[in-house]
Amino acid sequence: GAGVSQTPSNKVTEKGKYVELRCDPISGHTALYWYRQSLGQGPEFLIYFQGTGAADDSGLPNDRFFAVRPEGSVSTLKIQRTERGDSAVYLCASSLQAATDTQYFGPGTRLTVL
Amino acid sequence: GENVEQHPSTLSVQEGDSAVIKCTYSDSASNYFPWYKQELGKRPQLIIDIRSNVGEKKDQRIAVTLNKTAKHFSLHITETQPEDSAVYFCAAIIQGAQKLVFGQGTRLTINP
Repeated sequence: GAGVSQTPSNKVTEKGKYVELRCDPISGHTALYWYRQSLGQGPEFLIYFQGTGAADDSGLPNDRFFAVRPEGSVSTLKIQRTERGDSAVYLCASSLQAATDTQYFGPGTRLTVL
Repeated sequence: GENVEQHPSTLSVQEGDSAVIKCTYSDSASNYFPWYKQELGKRPQLIIDIRSNVGEKKDQRIAVTLNKTAKHFSLHITETQPEDSAVYFCAAIIQGAQKLVFGQGTRLTINP
């Protein structure tokens, strides 16, 4: 079946702009995660959704970052007033129910803030 | 919170030899330890995982061992092949938490 998909694959924006990154999880997966991966580093946790609710948003770096999952499927990561330090690959993952179920990653969105 | 340290950062082995990557974790309440393989420009993919009630798990050429007392776990790849070349990440999750904490990664190169 279809895996996790993310759009766009690449996003170039200017400092101060607003961006939205989209994630389509595997159908039937109730758990969804956003990670950020900087060059040469491991993925860094941002936020976890169980269904429609953000069960753990402790990884969001500041209030410029926000994520939603209104219908318990597709999720959107929103970044306001982007900064050059936000440049990274943003990865989405989903799992059947819990974080200890296999997490399947999407291909990521490479965000570049000029 | 949990902290995961991974060594070495780079590893080069001859084709056919074995490769070992080690990780240590800080929180004794961690109970799930997956390993991911990430090829250049691709998504991380789970290759093997182990839970805290098991000391070793094997899947063909890949094995993972867990030492809960010492709080470390290792990935073992035997009979390495060129397609094993990639970056490997270990991760850990604390019981009751819902977020994976990743190590810094090991770039494995298999020399023909």
